[in-house]
Amino acid sequence: NAGVTQTPKFRVLKTGQSMTLLCAQDMNHEYMYWYRQDPGMGLRLIHYSVGEGTTAKGEVPDGYNVSRLKKQNFLLGLESAAPSQTSVYFCASSGGGGQFDEQYFGPGTRLTVT
Amino acid sequence: AQKITQTQPGMFVQEKEAVTLDCTYDTSDQSYGLFWYKQPSSGEMIFLIYQGSYDEQNATEGRYSLNFQKARKSANLVISASQLGDSAMYFCAMSPPYGGATNKLIFGTGTLLAVQP
Repeated sequence: NAGVTQTPKFRVLKTGQSMTLLCAQDMNHEYMYWYRQDPGMGLRLIHYSVGEGTTAKGEVPDGYNVSRLKKQNFLLGLESAAPSQTSVYFCASSGGGGQFDEQYFGPGTRLTVT
Repeated sequence: AQKITQTQPGMFVQEKEAVTLDCTYDTSDQSYGLFWYKQPSSGEMIFLIYQGSYDEQNATEGRYSLNFQKARKSANLVISASQLGDSAMYFCAMSPPYGGATNKLIFGTGTLLAVQP
C-alpha cells in the first residue's frame, strides 16, 4: 500500500495563476482532509470530506476549493494564487466514525507563490 | 472553541535521557481525543500516540507515554531513553467528540526537540 500520496511535491506559481493539488489514498478511507502548515504555526485545516461527493469548510477555507469525485481522491484547487498561500500543504485521510480515528498524512506539497 | 497550547518552542535533551514535551488544551467538550505527531526534517507527519478523554490509564507506545491530567487539561508527551533519531518537531493535537462528521484535528504550534550525543 502506498498510503497517502500527493502530487506535486513542489510547485512555484506566479500571483494570479491557478493550480490543483492531488491527494490519493489507497486505504479505502471515508474521510479526507487538506491542511496547510506555515512557519511558527501548527497545521490548520482548510477543507475536509466525510465521503465521496461531500466537502466542508475547515478553519481557513478562503481562496481554496476542493472536490471529492472519487472516494480515493481529494483535490485542492487554488483559482487565483496569492503570496499568502505560500505554504506546505498536507493531505490526510482517516477511516472515520470511530472512537480512535488516526489520520494518515501524505508527504506534503511545498508551494511558493511569487 | 478548542485550542491546543505548546509553550516550549524548542527543547534540548541528552541522548539516553528522558524528556517531557508539554501540551495543554482547552475545550468544553466532555469527550475528545488527544494525539501526538512527530515531524522529522524530511517533513512527513508520523503518528505517535493517542489518548481518549475517557481513558483512565495513560497511553503508552514503546518509548512514548502520554501523561494525561484531565483536571489540569494537560497531555504531556514523555519520551524515555532519547535517541538521536528523536530529533524532530513534535505536535500535540486534539479532535472533537468521537465519530460523527467532524474528526478534524486542532494542532498546537509544535516543539522542536534536539537530542544531543
